Amino acid sequence: EDQVTQSPEALRLQEGESSSLNCSYTVSGLRGLFWYRQDPGKGPEFLFTLYSAGEEKEKERLKATLTKKESFLHITAPKPEDSATYLCAVQTYNQGGKLIFGQGTELSVKP
Amino acid sequence: DAGVIQSPRHEVTEMGQEVTLRCKPISGHDYLFWYRQTMMRGLELLIYFNNNVPIDDSGMPEDRFSAKMPNASFSTLKIQPSEPRDSAVYFCASRGVEEANTGELFFGEGSRLTVL
Repeated sequence: EDQVTQSPEALRLQEGESSSLNCSYTVSGLRGLFWYRQDPGKGPEFLFTLYSAGEEKEKERLKATLTKKESFLHITAPKPEDSATYLCAVQTYNQGGKLIFGQGTELSVKP
Repeated sequence: DAGVIQSPRHEVTEMGQEVTLRCKPISGHDYLFWYRQTMMRGLELLIYFNNNVPIDDSGMPEDRFSAKMPNASFSTLKIQPSEPRDSAVYFCASRGVEEANTGELFFGEGSRLTVL
């Protein structure tokens, strides 16, 4: 069964304190791995797509990386506005257009 | 474009009542997804459509749940009869041809359902 596991469940950082979020996956035939950001009371918002091991994507203070078993979302010098829940999702070749989401990591950045 | 529009934003109902959630996808998008989000189970895919045709409904919990997409600009998710365990936030998302490579989904703001 395809599975996506994110850790930690919650992360508290001080402003400027860099850290990483983890997304481990067990799937048959990874087509793509996606990172989304979700603010309270809102729907998830797309951040990145990664397709192959070794690939990296960056956006402002965020950098996503991918290996054959996991993905990391690195947050460099975070600011309070980076506080949100970060969701990881996978798409496989044998499951059509559907995305399978992890449980998410709730990030809180204090000033 | 206004994005994916869902209604109602909040619904409080009593057990046994029928609930209908509505979604208007982004114009021109050919994929529509219904997700459910709870603290315990996270974001779960219920069903998705391609060109108004249901492709995968394996995530629909049971026969009390049904979804339709009568045209490219409207979809409904119906729960009848509703139960307290159906309480969750229900999200609709859509995707177009341009997003086929990136896999990006555009989510609505969700419908928060509370069944008493």
